[in-house]
Amino acid sequence: GENVEQHPSTLSVQEGDSAVIKCTYSDSASNYFPWYKQELGKRPQLIIDIRSNVGEKKDQRIAVTLNKTAKHFSLHITETQPEDSAVYFCASQGAQKLVFGQGTRLTINP
Amino acid sequence: DTEVTQTPKHLVMGMTNKKSLKCEQHMGHRAMYWYKQKAKKPPELMFVYSYEKLSINESVPSRFSPECPNSSLLNLHLHALQPEDSALYLCASTSGLGNEQFFGPGTRLTVL
Repeated sequence: GENVEQHPSTLSVQEGDSAVIKCTYSDSASNYFPWYKQELGKRPQLIIDIRSNVGEKKDQRIAVTLNKTAKHFSLHITETQPEDSAVYFCASQGAQKLVFGQGTRLTINP
Repeated sequence: DTEVTQTPKHLVMGMTNKKSLKCEQHMGHRAMYWYKQKAKKPPELMFVYSYEKLSINESVPSRFSPECPNSSLLNLHLHALQPEDSALYLCASTSGLGNEQFFGPGTRLTVL
C-alpha cells in the first residue's frame, strides 16, 4: 500500500533561521500533498498544500516544493518564530485515503 | 460554519462500559472520517463514510462501531474496549478527495 516517509523526526533550529522537512511517497498516482501542524493537545491544522500539477507553492513564511519524478516533497519555513514549535505531518492523498508521514517535532530555540 | 465539533472532549470508561463519541459538521461535506491518534504518532485512519455510507473500514475491531445518522453527524459507538484503545479520537470531514480535511478537536479517551 501507499507509504510516506518523513525526515527528520526531530528538528531544532534557532529563532529566525529556516527549517526544512522532507517527505517521500510511494504511490505515483498520488496527486494531493497537504502539510498539517499539530500543537500539543490540539487538532491537526492544514498549513499549506500542493497539487501534482504545481512544483512550488508559497504562503508568507511557508513554502512547499514537489518533485513528482523523484516522488518527494518538502516544507520550508523561513524566519522561524517560537510559535512555529509543533509537530508537523506531511501526507499524500491516495486512491481513497490520506496517508500520513510519521511526523517531525520542530523546536524553535529563542 | 467552518468547524468540525466533537463531544465529549474527554472520556474515561471502564472495559465493560458502552459509550459513544459524536462528531458534527455543517460545511456540507459528504465525506467524514474517524481517526485514532496515539501519542507522538500520526493519525491512523479507522473509518470513512462517503455520502452517509461506510466506504472504508481499516480492519478495526468490532468493539468500535461507526454510525452516520445523516450528512452532518458521525458517531462512534464504543463497547468492551481495552486499555490499549486509550488515545485521541479525531473526526474529520472533506468536500471530496484531494481537498482539505478539516479535523475536529478530538476526544481524549482513557480506558481503565
